[in-house]
Amino acid sequence: GENVEQHPSTLSVQEGDSAVIKCTYSDSASNYFPWYKQELGKRPQLIIDIRSNVGEKKDQRIAVTLNKTAKHFSLHITETQPEDSAVYFCAASTGNQFYFGTGTSLTVIP
Amino acid sequence: NAGVTQTPKFQVLKTGQSMTLQCAQDMNHEYMSWYRQDPGMGLRLIHYSVGAGITDQGEVPNGYNVSRSTTEDFPLRLLSAAPSQTSVYFCASSYSAGLNYEQYFGPGTRLTVT
Repeated sequence: GENVEQHPSTLSVQEGDSAVIKCTYSDSASNYFPWYKQELGKRPQLIIDIRSNVGEKKDQRIAVTLNKTAKHFSLHITETQPEDSAVYFCAASTGNQFYFGTGTSLTVIP
Repeated sequence: NAGVTQTPKFQVLKTGQSMTLQCAQDMNHEYMSWYRQDPGMGLRLIHYSVGAGITDQGEVPNGYNVSRSTTEDFPLRLLSAAPSQTSVYFCASSYSAGLNYEQYFGPGTRLTVT
């Protein structure tokens, strides 16, 4: 089955700096790669996703890149704000099954 | 449009008891899944369904049963609860259109087994 690894497990940045979270996957059949933000006690919320036919996608301060050859994808958050503090999860999917990384706890220091 | 709903929000069971976690969605999504979330381990897939009458096992299916008699509902049954099943359980649904598999999560059920 699919194996998704996520790094780092914790990340602290100063407000205004950038944050980068990286994930690797093992199954070349995976073709959909979402990123979720989870605040304490809440459900995961989709923040951005990328499909295997695209190399990069951007939505305001958030961007995701995908390297299918190397089987890795990354989340980039620019101009971080305190409200970006949360746990972020990457996932890989073939459509009917989603496999998640173990999460990155991001703290943005004011 | 309520999205994905789960009941109950919290539950305490004694070892050996059985119970059913309810999940429903009103978005006419084909795919539904159950995950458990444990500290430091992310979300792990328990069971999933690609449509009414079709279910399959995920990464951690032991001790759980599911059924999908309708598109809307996907209950998760704990057959004989064990302390190792203490966790937060999330139900999710998604549709598939081309390469668009956007998944929506329910609010979760926090289960404690003593």
